[in-house]
Amino acid sequence: NAGVTQTPKFQVLKTGQSMTLQCAQDMNHEYMSWYRQDPGMGLRLIHYSVGAGITDQGEVPNGYNVSRSTTEDFPLRLLSAAPSQTSVYFCASSYSGTSTDTQYFGPGTRLTVL
Amino acid sequence: TQLLEQSPQFLSIQEGENLTVYCNSSSVFSSLQWYRQEPGEGPVLLVTVVTGGEVKKLKRLTFQFGDARKDSSLHITAAQPGDTGLYLCAGAPIGSWNAGNMLTFGGGTRLMVKP
Repeated sequence: NAGVTQTPKFQVLKTGQSMTLQCAQDMNHEYMSWYRQDPGMGLRLIHYSVGAGITDQGEVPNGYNVSRSTTEDFPLRLLSAAPSQTSVYFCASSYSGTSTDTQYFGPGTRLTVL
Repeated sequence: TQLLEQSPQFLSIQEGENLTVYCNSSSVFSSLQWYRQEPGEGPVLLVTVVTGGEVKKLKRLTFQFGDARKDSSLHITAAQPGDTGLYLCAGAPIGSWNAGNMLTFGGGTRLMVKP
C-alpha cells in the first residue's frame, strides 16, 4: 500500500492564482481531513470528509474548497491564492474517524504564495 | 475553539538526559494523541490515551493523560539522537462521533538530542 499520497510536493503561486492540491489514499478509508501547518501553531483543520459526497468545514476553511467524489480522493482547491495561505498542507485519513483511531498523514505539500 | 498549549517550544539536550514535554488545555478531550514528525514528512502517531490518569509506555517514552482529561505529558528517559524531531499533541473533541476526524493540535515541541 502507498498509504496517503499528496501532489505536488512543492508549489509556488502568485497572488490570485488558483490551484488544486491532490490527496489520495489506497486504504479504503472513509474519513479524510486537510490540515495546514504554520510555524509554532501546530496543525489546523481546514476541511474534513466522512465519506464520498460528504464534507464539512474545520477551524480555518476560508479561501479553500473541497469535494469528495470518490472514497480514494480528497482534493483541496485554492480559488484565489493569498500570501496568508503560504503554509505546509497535510492530508490525513483514518478507517473509523473515532477518537481512538489512527490518523495516517501524507508527506505534505509546501505552498508559497508570492 | 479548543486550544492546546505545548511547552517547551524548543528543547536541546545531551544524549542520556531525561526530558518532559507538556500539553495543556482548559478543555476536556475524549482522547489525546501524541505524534512525532520528521522534517519533510507528515506526523506519525506514537500513542493514544483515553482514560483520565492513564499511563502508557513505549520503550523509553512514557505518556500520561491528566485525571480531568485536559492535559497530558510525554516523558523521555535517557534521550538518544534518534529521538530528535517535532513532537505534537492532538486532542479529539468530546461529543462528536467522528472526533478523530477533527483533531486540535498543540503548537509542537522541537526536540534536539545531541550526541
